[in-house]
Amino acid sequence: AQKITQTQPGMFVQEKEAVTLDCTYDTSDQSYGLFWYKQPSSGEMIFLIYQGSYDEQNATEGRYSLNFQKARKSANLVISASQLGDSAMYFCAMREGSYGQNFVFGPGTRLSVLP
Amino acid sequence: AAGVIQSPRHLIKEKRETATLKCYPIPRHDTVYWYQQGPGQDPQFLISFYEKMQSDKGSIPDRFSAQQFSDYHSELNMSSLELGDSALYFCASSLGDSDTEAFFGQGTRLTVV
Repeated sequence: AQKITQTQPGMFVQEKEAVTLDCTYDTSDQSYGLFWYKQPSSGEMIFLIYQGSYDEQNATEGRYSLNFQKARKSANLVISASQLGDSAMYFCAMREGSYGQNFVFGPGTRLSVLP
Repeated sequence: AAGVIQSPRHLIKEKRETATLKCYPIPRHDTVYWYQQGPGQDPQFLISFYEKMQSDKGSIPDRFSAQQFSDYHSELNMSSLELGDSALYFCASSLGDSDTEAFFGQGTRLTVV
């Protein structure tokens, strides 16, 4: 079964508007971490934001915020004031436990910011 | 700030040749992960190391091997290369004993011809 689901293969947003990228996850672990990464066309994987399962407050990093709803097992990424440079592939990922446990990635959402 | 360093950035090999990819984690990070990303796909986990010991193993072919050295850098060795091994190979590092950020290198793009 898919551990990470991203139901939006592609999204469009107008420049300067906010956009929400969906991510739901499946785990029976109590301790886990949720991550969002951005992959532009150049290929590098850029860390955006992290949310720990025990964190009570939603994570924020500049224009990025993570809407963490633990009971619903969702970890949506919100990008405020979209910029043209935000056009990229966005991956949601989860790491269960710790001590070198691997990350599982979702299929990704391709975001296109329109001028 | 220092990031994860991968070398080489690009590599072209012929079928049946061998390749070695290197990864230098962020200083003080003790955990290294290797991922393979085919065209249009999400990254697939290959193998990870925590404190120089293999900690988890994914869909890594038997033709591949990896290790983490005493200075925490890691190498992925790939033998008998096949056309299907052409992909972007990422290394990531983190602090293994806590749920913290994990950072990826810029990747090595391997092309097998």
